[in-house]
Amino acid sequence: GAVVSQHPSWVICKSGTSVKIECRSLDFQATTMFWYRQFPKQSLMLMATSNEGSKATYEQGVEKDKFLINHASLTLSTLTVTSAHPEDSSFYICSASRVSNQPQHFGDGTRLSIL
Amino acid sequence: AQTVTQSQPEMSVQEAETVTLSCTYDTSESNYYLFWYKQPPSRQMILVIRQEAYKQQNATENRFSVNFQKAAKSFSLKISDSQLGDTAMYFCASNKISNFGNEKLTFGTGTRLTIIP
Repeated sequence: GAVVSQHPSWVICKSGTSVKIECRSLDFQATTMFWYRQFPKQSLMLMATSNEGSKATYEQGVEKDKFLINHASLTLSTLTVTSAHPEDSSFYICSASRVSNQPQHFGDGTRLSIL
Repeated sequence: AQTVTQSQPEMSVQEAETVTLSCTYDTSESNYYLFWYKQPPSRQMILVIRQEAYKQQNATENRFSVNFQKAAKSFSLKISDSQLGDTAMYFCASNKISNFGNEKLTFGTGTRLTIIP
């Protein structure tokens, strides 16, 4: 069964609204989670590393104020796309490892469509 | 820094045949992992196989095996007896081994594999 749960799976909203995506580790604690973005027919690009109890580490070119990450507990990280615009439409996917240096498990992803 | 290169954007093969997907990488790390992930149309990321760089023996998982050439920094995936369910995007990826926890993955651009009935 799934070990990482991501919600919602699909969201459509109007331009200018903020959207929150949740990533939960099921039955294990994850001090680190990763957020990726995938455009159609392209690869996964790391956006940020979410660290429990501290600030996220963002990749170069990713706007911190645009993509807010909160990792308030050992089983939950959230990504909020603030004031979303059509160019933010993409597939967002999170991952976490059950044990350090073990393969990451991915959530099922969130398809975000901004009208 | 790590880079991963997949030079085959698309491939197709007849069902039951064998196919090999190519991957090369570059890294300054002395110890690292290499992965192949499968992404079917559902877009779920599924781990196919993992190789630890310090192990010389090539990893195998049922019909999936790798040819790991460390000196050449090559990490190809061989799928034997291909099945229709193998149709998917395949991503090669790498991350370093850390004493401090989990490390981010660097992905290649992917190879779209189609198995023809």
